[in-house]
Amino acid sequence: QVQLQESGPGLVKPSETLSLTCTVSGGSISSYYWSWIRQPPGKGLEWIGYIYYSGSTNYNPSLKSRVTISVDTSKNQFSLKLSSVTAADTAVYYCARTVRIAARPGGDWFDPWGQGTLVTVSS
Amino acid sequence: QSVLTQPPSVSGAPGQRVTISCTGSSSNIGAGYDVHWYQQLPGTAPKLLIYGNSNRPSGVPDRFSGSKSGTSASLAITGLQAEDEADYYCQSYDSSLSASYVFGTGTKVTVL
Repeated sequence: QVQLQESGPGLVKPSETLSLTCTVSGGSISSYYWSWIRQPPGKGLEWIGYIYYSGSTNYNPSLKSRVTISVDTSKNQFSLKLSSVTAADTAVYYCARTVRIAARPGGDWFDPWGQGTLVTVSS
Repeated sequence: QSVLTQPPSVSGAPGQRVTISCTGSSSNIGAGYDVHWYQQLPGTAPKLLIYGNSNRPSGVPDRFSGSKSGTSASLAITGLQAEDEADYYCQSYDSSLSASYVFGTGTKVTVL
């Protein structure tokens, strides 16, 4: 079955850009939507944005000005860049497949999820 | 500042039934958007538990059930087991000015 694995630096300095990659194995990245979701330590979940394998994107309005999600179908990977980070961006970052049902707009869910990677913003 | 509100914690003895509420508004659950539920065991990633309000993915025990009515949804766990001790999150879509997927505040289930 499809498995996802996040990778990237675990420590980022304030004001710099956080960069993570999600590698999809056990299936093709094509024909699906793929999301990034984060969880600050001890807190709840926040959806960051998604990308379709064709490259179209949709971002959380609260993060839109700082987020870029891209896809590399040749490597079966998609990536997250979050600019101008602060301590408030410290979180476990998850990648997940977004399951969309055309007949039910907005009725999308996330499955499966990667194991997550902790990114700490600190000097 | 999640738009979906859940009780911070619920508890029950083994074998009992517990329910977790997820309260939204007219721009999300009340607008007809589906509700999904995730289970997050300690130190692990969330796992899909219920999708489309009441559907269980393959492999999820039928002890878990979901329902939706009006601006709220509920997750019920019957025959509570020690392995059910985890955090549970609801998720839906919000069509307000800040349209996006939204998660609930999360509920910690403790098995006494």
